[in-house]
Formats: sequence, structure tokens, C-alpha cells
Amino acid sequence: AQTIHQWPVAEIKAVGSPLSLGCTIKGKSSPNLYWYWQATGGTLQQLFYSITVGQVESVVQLNLSASRPKDDQFILSTEKLLLSHSGFYLCAWPDKNTEVFFGKGTRLTVV
Amino acid sequence: QQKVQQSPESLIVPEGGMASLNCTSSDRNVDYFWWYRQHSGKSPKMLMSIFSNGEKEEGRFTVHLNKASLHTSLHIRDSQPSDSALYLCAASPPNYNVLYFGSGTKLTVEP
Repeated sequence: AQTIHQWPVAEIKAVGSPLSLGCTIKGKSSPNLYWYWQATGGTLQQLFYSITVGQVESVVQLNLSASRPKDDQFILSTEKLLLSHSGFYLCAWPDKNTEVFFGKGTRLTVV
Repeated sequence: QQKVQQSPESLIVPEGGMASLNCTSSDRNVDYFWWYRQHSGKSPKMLMSIFSNGEKEEGRFTVHLNKASLHTSLHIRDSQPSDSALYLCAASPPNYNVLYFGSGTKLTVEP
């Protein structure tokens, strides 16, 4: 069975500080991977998708970047956090034509 | 402009009652629809998917899809307090690289 692991579970970071969030998927070869963001009380928005190692496509611009350094790993980062980056970050992979599976998420609070 | 619109924003039904939720996409490119349930602080979990015109039933849950109007609805019969959650509608184009979510319907089932 496929599993998605996200780290960290939660972060409290200062405005202007860097950020790195990680996602690893096990049990699936060459998965498509997605990053989603959900502001508190807000809509779930897809930020990035990646079809293969080294290739990342942006869906929504939020002054964030993403990288796919390994087949099973997807990283979300920024060099300078804004207050508006607070929220719930979710990594996901689609099982084509059935459903998109989500990780447990990272709760980010920017202060 | 949000590509998926859901109504109502919130819904209160008595235990044992019927809950009806609606979702429409404004993007003619979408082809697949899902319904997800998200409990507070948790990641979304898929309830049902529907890709063809018509109706699909699984236990207490029924979904309808009209592809001509890009409208889908979710009906929950015999609603239980444990059904209380945020219900998210999602749609994607055939390439499946991007999944658009609506802002959700907050369902409360009162004992």
C-alpha cells in the first residue's frame, strides 16, 4: 500500500525566515505529486504538480517554490516567509481516475 | 475566478434527515468530479467520485452528475452526527494534473 509522509507536522516561523516542507511517498513508482495549501477557513488550492524527477509546474503563485529531487520526494520552500503563508500544507498523489490521496499535512503559523 | 462553486456554504440537518449539497464548475474543460470530506484539522478523504452522467449510490451517499451543465450533487440520507464536517467538491480536466476544489459546504448534523 502507498503511504505519504509529510514533515514537519507543525511549524511556527517568523516573518522573513526561510521554510522547507517535505513529502515522501512510499510504495508507488514514479508518482505524480501535488502540493496544496489551505488558509484557515479558506479554499484548498493546488500550488504545484510534478510528473517526474526534476520537473515541477506551478499552478498558483504564492511566492513559494517546489522541487522534486528524487522520485519519491517533493519539497516546498521559500527563502522569505510572509504572514499570508500561514495555513495547512498538504502533499498529495493521484491514483489516476480514482482519487487523489492526501498526506496528513503540515500546519504552518507565521508570526 | 474560482472554477468550482459550492452551495450552500453551510447546512444544518437533524439526525436521520437528508442533506443535499451542490457543486458546479465554470470550466468547460473539467471532466471528472469528486466529493471529499474534511474533518476539522484533518486532511480531506474521498467520499465518492463520478465521471459519467447519471447517478451513483454507495450506502447512504448518492451523487448525481450532469455533464452538460457541469453540475454535481451529493445527497446523504439518514444523516448522523459523525457526518458533520466540511464537504469539498473537486473537479479536474482529463489530463488530471490539476484538481480544482470548491470552498466547501459545512454540514452540521444535530442529534
